[in-house]
Amino acid sequence: QVTLKESGPGMLQPSKTLSLTCSFSGFSLSTSGMVVSWIRQPSGKSLEWLAAIDWDGDKYYNPSLKSRLTVSKDTSNTQVFLKITSVDIADTATYYCARNWFDYWGQGVMVTVSS
Amino acid sequence: DIQMTQSPSFLSASVGDRVTINCKASQNINKYLNWYQQKLGEAPKRLIYNTNNLQTGIPSRFSGSGSGTDYTLTISSLQPEDFATYFCLQHNSLYTFGAGTKLELK
Repeated sequence: QVTLKESGPGMLQPSKTLSLTCSFSGFSLSTSGMVVSWIRQPSGKSLEWLAAIDWDGDKYYNPSLKSRLTVSKDTSNTQVFLKITSVDIADTATYYCARNWFDYWGQGVMVTVSS
Repeated sequence: DIQMTQSPSFLSASVGDRVTINCKASQNINKYLNWYQQKLGEAPKRLIYNTNNLQTGIPSRFSGSGSGTDYTLTISSLQPEDFATYFCLQHNSLYTFGAGTKLELK
């Protein structure tokens, strides 16, 4: 059974760095072809793809946010991380991780940026 | 970057209606187009992948079609549980979501 679950700080202040973790089971990111992506959704708005990392360690970023994003994975290939630097109010959203071509999604974690 | 234009933004319909939702890509996406349903407070759920492949467990009243830049999701006979928001996603070149279509009960 494939499951993914996001975790994060809940709330943080503007200008700080947001760190998110996606923990998953039911598949391994070391398997050829596997990809884990991060997506976010401000309340009441559409979805925005942020970043992805594949089984080979290759990383992909949304060009509009690339300078602020870093995606990585752990050596056991069961967790993927996302860091977003210099957050502001516009980064307030529910953040999701998803597998491959978005076939399985986590439940999402809400992040609020506020002073 | 590939842009996705989804229409309509809002759709009012009744149980039993046939509805269509459209997505237009800014360039050819080679049928790498998925459709998702999202209900309030839940993660999106994949309905259709690669234009016309029905996700396991999804009812056959959902179908997809299209090619090149133009794609369509059709729900043949709306059921009460289908009232939700629908998104398209292109995965031909990185990933881009459509803006969404909110399907409401008339």
